[in-house]
Amino acid sequence: DAKTTQPNSMESNEEEPVHLPCNHSTISGTDYIHWYRQLPSQGPEYVIHGLTSNVNNRMASLAIAEDRKSSTLILHRATLRDAAVYYCILRDTNDYKLSFGAGTTVTVRA
Amino acid sequence: EAGVVQSPRYKIIEKKQPVAFWCNPISGHNTLYWYLQNLGQGPELLIRYENEEAVDDSQLPKDRFSAERLKGVDSTLKIQPAELGDSAVYLCASSLAIFGELFFGEGSRLTVL
Repeated sequence: DAKTTQPNSMESNEEEPVHLPCNHSTISGTDYIHWYRQLPSQGPEYVIHGLTSNVNNRMASLAIAEDRKSSTLILHRATLRDAAVYYCILRDTNDYKLSFGAGTTVTVRA
Repeated sequence: EAGVVQSPRYKIIEKKQPVAFWCNPISGHNTLYWYLQNLGQGPELLIRYENEEAVDDSQLPKDRFSAERLKGVDSTLKIQPAELGDSAVYLCASSLAIFGELFFGEGSRLTVL
């Protein structure tokens, strides 16, 4: 499985943007970049995904490097509800497996 | 629309006892997953179903774990006998299609004493 590397933790202030980096230097052409997050005592929830182009939805934006070896999840205005573990995952269209790493723990200060 | 429902939310048992977890996926979702999550780690896939067929069970410890998805709807994950190391959260997820977004339940937290 292609692997991703994320920082263990990040801190942010409320209402400020948060940029979560993810490195995936061994990404293959059939890998989509997915982000999920897990709030305390809950199951993970889908955030966003992309292949080559930048993506936006109501929750976040995903910026993908031109060589696809890294990506950044952007939370535009962090709220206390955004405190969670964020997982960057490569999902291969050949086997559809969604394999989670340790993720980045985001703390939001009021 | 109801989400993925799991029960029980919490279970405490003594080692060597059996335990079972139940999952009801979102209506119409053909793909169902069971994940295991140890404290401080990301979820790990145990088994994936397409309708009633287990299409990926390579990570399921078959000596003590078993799963079934009769009629392709709800599913049960069983551990017999439980060991101390099985203490974890067991997560169920479903998706509409094989490459679709996964929707997770709240999980079943198992403590083995």
